[in-house]
Amino acid sequence: EAGVTQFPSHSVIEKGQTVTLRCDPISGHDNLYWYRRVMGKEIKFLLHFVKESKQDESGMPNNRFLAERTGGTYSTLKVQPAELEDSGVYFCASSQAVLPTGPYEQYFGPGTRLTVT
Amino acid sequence: GESVGLHLPTLSVQEGDNSIINCAYSNSASDYFIWYKQESGKGPQFIIDIRSNMDKRQGQRVTVLLNKTVKHLSLQIAATQPGDSAVYFCAENAGGTSYGKLTFGQGTILTVHP
Repeated sequence: EAGVTQFPSHSVIEKGQTVTLRCDPISGHDNLYWYRRVMGKEIKFLLHFVKESKQDESGMPNNRFLAERTGGTYSTLKVQPAELEDSGVYFCASSQAVLPTGPYEQYFGPGTRLTVT
Repeated sequence: GESVGLHLPTLSVQEGDNSIINCAYSNSASDYFIWYKQESGKGPQFIIDIRSNMDKRQGQRVTVLLNKTVKHLSLQIAATQPGDSAVYFCAENAGGTSYGKLTFGQGTILTVHP
């Protein structure tokens, strides 16, 4: 079974430009999450999709970040315009449907390393 | 605010020794805890999890202990191997409307010397 995949693996852009990150979750996983780790900080939650709906976007830093999951399959995270502080590693994760007593195990992708210069 | 932190940022052990990685959490509402392992260039990999109604759970060579009284979580790795060298993160979830949100600690770097 294929794991969570992310594209690109690396992206270097200039301040003010736009970048779009893509995440393909494990097939059949309704839940998709975005996290990021900026230099020297812990991994931080950005948002959570259930199918195509945003369940929780409390971690989105500002309106320069836009996440979509049209059709409830893959997701994109767009940063526009990018700022220097957006540099870091962006992780995507997915999990199966959550049951009241079921596990919340989230499977992570390899991440996209974003560098804004 | 809620946070999960680690007592020891680095840990060096000899191959074959047992390793213990500690984690403190501050959100008493947290009901689910996970340990992840991250190797260079890869995303976090699930190791083991535990719910708040348990105080111990064992996996293959790993054991997670949860002490809710002092809000402490630990990961024990038996017979540590060089392949165990990685960054280890604890994470917690408080359920509710944010049932998908994991809060991570800063991570502990484990180095295993042959």
